[in-house]
Amino acid sequence: DAKTTQPTSMDCAEGRAANLPCNHSTISGNEYVYWYRQIHSQGPQYIIHGLKNNETNEMASLIITEDRKSSTLILPHATLRDTAVYYCIVRVAGNQFYFGTGTSLTVIP
Amino acid sequence: SQTIHQWPATLVQPVGSPLSLECTVEGTSNPNLYWYRQAAGRGLQLLFYSVGIGQISSEVPQNLSASRPQDRQFILSSKKLLLSDSGFYLCAWSAHRTGLGNTIYFGEGSWLTVV
Repeated sequence: DAKTTQPTSMDCAEGRAANLPCNHSTISGNEYVYWYRQIHSQGPQYIIHGLKNNETNEMASLIITEDRKSSTLILPHATLRDTAVYYCIVRVAGNQFYFGTGTSLTVIP
Repeated sequence: SQTIHQWPATLVQPVGSPLSLECTVEGTSNPNLYWYRQAAGRGLQLLFYSVGIGQISSEVPQNLSASRPQDRQFILSSKKLLLSDSGFYLCAWSAHRTGLGNTIYFGEGSWLTVV
């Protein structure tokens, strides 16, 4: 079962930063936070993941709170192509990845 | 680099007919393999995962089954499809190593409509 809670939907103006929150209050010490996105009718695309420290790559930044109970995915300059469903995942022990229902992000021109 | 392919991309099957979806991974060995299903407007549901040949774990009891006849081949099957089996099926892989910082990568997906 998914261990994360995300808002159902969000809007963001094109060119502005999109900040997508995720709560994972039951996360364990060795569990990573992953973010994926899914554009309609495609397989989910990996964005970023982290354990404790903030992470940044060419797609996004991941900010994890000090207590690790929540995180925020930041798309610094949202474009129309960033419109998608964004999934925050905490990978539990073992080999399973459990996805929740995600946040539907709409980037508005 | 690693690639994952699944087929067919789209299929329409009558109720009661069999199903076979195939997935292969290239560029890696001994991957963990997964089958997910996504019903219309819903999130992803983990159906099966495999850590090696012949090793299949089922997450949800149903009329579907999975097999791994070769290291990089994962097959999703059904003997008799139900209307509720309709959905978007996704194969995925991750590297076979310990630790939880292990990314999962998805295929293109297969749309199944049971009529």
